[in-house]
Amino acid sequence: DTGVSQDPRHKITKRGQNVTFRCDPISEHNRLYWYRQTLGQGPEFLTYFQNEAQLEKSRLLSDRFSAERPKGSFSTLEIQRTEQGDSAMYLCASSFAREVDTQYFGPGTRLTVL
Amino acid sequence: QQQVKQSPQSLIVQKGGISIINCAYENTAFDYFPWYQQFPGKGPALLIAIRPDVSEKKEGRFTISFNKSAKQFSLHIMDSQPGDSATYFCAASLDHNSAGNNRKLIWGLGTSLAVNP
Repeated sequence: DTGVSQDPRHKITKRGQNVTFRCDPISEHNRLYWYRQTLGQGPEFLTYFQNEAQLEKSRLLSDRFSAERPKGSFSTLEIQRTEQGDSAMYLCASSFAREVDTQYFGPGTRLTVL
Repeated sequence: QQQVKQSPQSLIVQKGGISIINCAYENTAFDYFPWYQQFPGKGPALLIAIRPDVSEKKEGRFTISFNKSAKQFSLHIMDSQPGDSATYFCAASLDHNSAGNNRKLIWGLGTSLAVNP
């Protein structure tokens, strides 16, 4: 399977704990995006990378959130001191920089904060 | 403020019927309008997309109709099948800078489609 993969698929954690998610984009894609999706809503943009550079962060991305893409390939999204409001599906997508409108999504990581 | 308004929130259609989902937008700078299909537990998948220089695009059973003057676009699913049961999202994007490399998708809230057998 050469699509976007995400790990883990599900994460249950207690409030206050730190969590880290991983996204492996389609190998040729230089753009990588993180979104958050809650029930009954469309995906909300969080941040995106072109290669290893983080080019934009949404105001939704509080100081507790940090994303990295150290080698321009896989990316990690870390949430520190999780809160119940962080419970959501975290989606990763990738695209070519020249075709930024065509984004391919991974299956998501569902986070539940107890 | 929802920049892309999608309706209905849910839709039930009989097998073989036509499913119609509508979206409206405000920002005339939007220049790309995709539709995504999402099954439970999966990420959204691009279904079909249109740019405002055409009024209609058809791919198989899926058709986008675009009305630039009304700032509306819709997805039509012909001969709807139970396998089409999913959540459908419309979206829109625009160019945030002249280089054409700073775009992000603005999403509607989704329509849950159920096709009865």
